[in-house]
Amino acid sequence: EPEVTQTPSHQVTQMGQEVILRCVPISNHLYFYWYRQILGQKVEFLVSFYNNEISEKSEIFDDQFSVERPDGSNFTLKIRSTKLEDSAMYFCASKGEAGSQPQHFGDGTRLSIL
Amino acid sequence: GENVEQHPSTLSVQEGDSAVIKCTYSDSASNYFPWYKQELGKGPQLIIDIRSNVGEKKDQRIAVTLNKTAKHFSLHITETQPEDSAVYFCAASKAGGGADGLTFGKGTHLIIQP
Repeated sequence: EPEVTQTPSHQVTQMGQEVILRCVPISNHLYFYWYRQILGQKVEFLVSFYNNEISEKSEIFDDQFSVERPDGSNFTLKIRSTKLEDSAMYFCASKGEAGSQPQHFGDGTRLSIL
Repeated sequence: GENVEQHPSTLSVQEGDSAVIKCTYSDSASNYFPWYKQELGKGPQLIIDIRSNVGEKKDQRIAVTLNKTAKHFSLHITETQPEDSAVYFCAASKAGGGADGLTFGKGTHLIIQP
């Protein structure tokens, strides 16, 4: 069964540094998402992306965050200047066409900010 | 925006018994309600979903019911097994368009006692 893959599984970064989290969505999917989960809390929506532009973003997704689909397979989340409170699990998800569901999730990247 | 409440936060049941997890949502425009299972170190995995034009859906031991008027939906697991132990999340979204980021509940830690 096709999977969403995320790399790295764990990223440790100094506060203030830039970090890029990478995702390879399921190959024929068209809609892409990032979510985060702070330890012990619920999964929170960050951003959705379709047709090379952001469709929707939450209040969490401020100017420090950006997303990109640099080629036909990768989907990235960049945090420009990391803060301690950015420490969390970050999940990528993808789905097929507009009316189709569900969103398929990867296993996440654990981001630790020191 | 949408707000999803989930109860209970922890549920312990004897193996073979049934488990019920309940969620309420606030936005009457939400029309898609998935349930995800999350095991330790893994991303959320869809177990069942329901759209607002359906009141109930069943898949083997798992069923979901939806009451649009009351804005609540429930997950029912019958004949529970040890492998059902995990964290379960309900979610809601407005499916069909680009703005379909999922709003999750806080999760239920289901413990199956042998």
